[in-house]
Amino acid sequence: GENVEQHPSTLSVQEGDSAVIKCTYSDSASNYFPWYKQELGKGPQLIIDIRSNVGEKKDQRIAVTLNKTAKHFSLHITETQPEDSAVYFCAALGNQFYFGTGTSLTVIP
Amino acid sequence: GAVVSQHPSWVICKSGTSVKIECRSLDFQATTMFWYRQFPKQSLMLMATSNEGSKATYEQGVEKDKFLINHASLTLSTLTVTSAHPEDSSFYICSGKGSGQPQHFGDGTRLSIL
Repeated sequence: GENVEQHPSTLSVQEGDSAVIKCTYSDSASNYFPWYKQELGKGPQLIIDIRSNVGEKKDQRIAVTLNKTAKHFSLHITETQPEDSAVYFCAALGNQFYFGTGTSLTVIP
Repeated sequence: GAVVSQHPSWVICKSGTSVKIECRSLDFQATTMFWYRQFPKQSLMLMATSNEGSKATYEQGVEKDKFLINHASLTLSTLTVTSAHPEDSSFYICSGKGSGQPQHFGDGTRLSIL
């Protein structure tokens, strides 16, 4: 089956700086890679996703890059704000969704 | 955007009772529903996958007689934790997926068993 690894597990950045979270996957058949933001006591919310036929996707301050050859994809958040503080999960879709272990992001005002 | 409503958001009950959690897709037809369990500071663990009108497929180690899943319609799935015990206390999250759509999550149900 698929194995999704996510790094780092915790990340602290100053407000206004960029944050980068990386994930690797093992199943070359995986073709869809969403990123979810989970705030305390809530369910994960989809923030951006990318399909395997695209190398990069951007939505305002959030971007995702995908390297199919190396089997890794990354979430980039620019100009971070305190409200970006949350736990972020990557996922890879093969025959089912496989989630990364999560990154707790803290944006320091 | 697509919305999944999960109810209740928090439930506290005595050991030995059964608890039902509802998951509804409000503006799309969820042909597949997923149920996850999440422990504090951990990732989501898939418990089972259900397709509308079919029996749920449970992940290894998940007791199907304890965690009863019903997906009788394209907009509603329920998870019933039977004879709940303190070790069943957790955060349960459902997710719905329609044809050609990404997965959308409910806001979770915090289950506390006394």
